[in-house]
Amino acid sequence: GENVEQHPSTLSVQEGDSAVIKCTYSDSASNYFPWYKQELGKGPQLIIDIRSNVGEKKDQRIAVTLNKTAKHFSLHITETQPEDSAVYFCAAYNYGQNFVFGPGTRLSVLP
Amino acid sequence: DGGITQSPKYLFRKEGQNVTLSCEQNLNHDAMYWYRQDPGQGLRLIYYSQIVNDFQKGDIAEGYSVSREKKESFPLTVTSAQKNPTAFYLCASSGTSRETQYFGPGTRLLVL
Repeated sequence: GENVEQHPSTLSVQEGDSAVIKCTYSDSASNYFPWYKQELGKGPQLIIDIRSNVGEKKDQRIAVTLNKTAKHFSLHITETQPEDSAVYFCAAYNYGQNFVFGPGTRLSVLP
Repeated sequence: DGGITQSPKYLFRKEGQNVTLSCEQNLNHDAMYWYRQDPGQGLRLIYYSQIVNDFQKGDIAEGYSVSREKKESFPLTVTSAQKNPTAFYLCASSGTSRETQYFGPGTRLLVL
């Protein structure tokens, strides 16, 4: 079955710097890769996603890149702000299967 | 105001007691899911339901039970057979594409 690894587990950056979180997946049949942001005590919220027929997607300060050959995808946050502090989860999905989530990255943006 | 609601926010269980977590959605989604979240771990699937009156076991179903009598509702019962129930429980739903999952605010279960 699918296995998703995520690195780093914790990440601290200065406000205004960029943050990058990377995930690798094992099943080449996976074709949809969402990223979720979870604030303390709340449920995860979808922030961006990418499908396997696209290499990069951007939404304001957030971008996701996908390398199908290497089976990895990354979340890029530019000009980080204190409100970006949260736990971020990646996931891999193949239609007809269930989501497999990474273990999460705790991002701290230091003022 | 559409979305997913979970109740209660906090739940305390005594030894040998069954407890039920509520999940309701008004998004008209067919599919609903229950996940368990432990510190430092990703979300693990407990049960899911693609349609009313049908549900399937996920990766960690032992000690849990569900029902899906209505499209809007997917309650989860944590039975006394679940020996380590302390966790954060998340309910989610998805529409026709099954890709985008919408999560509720979660229920934190603690053992007394």
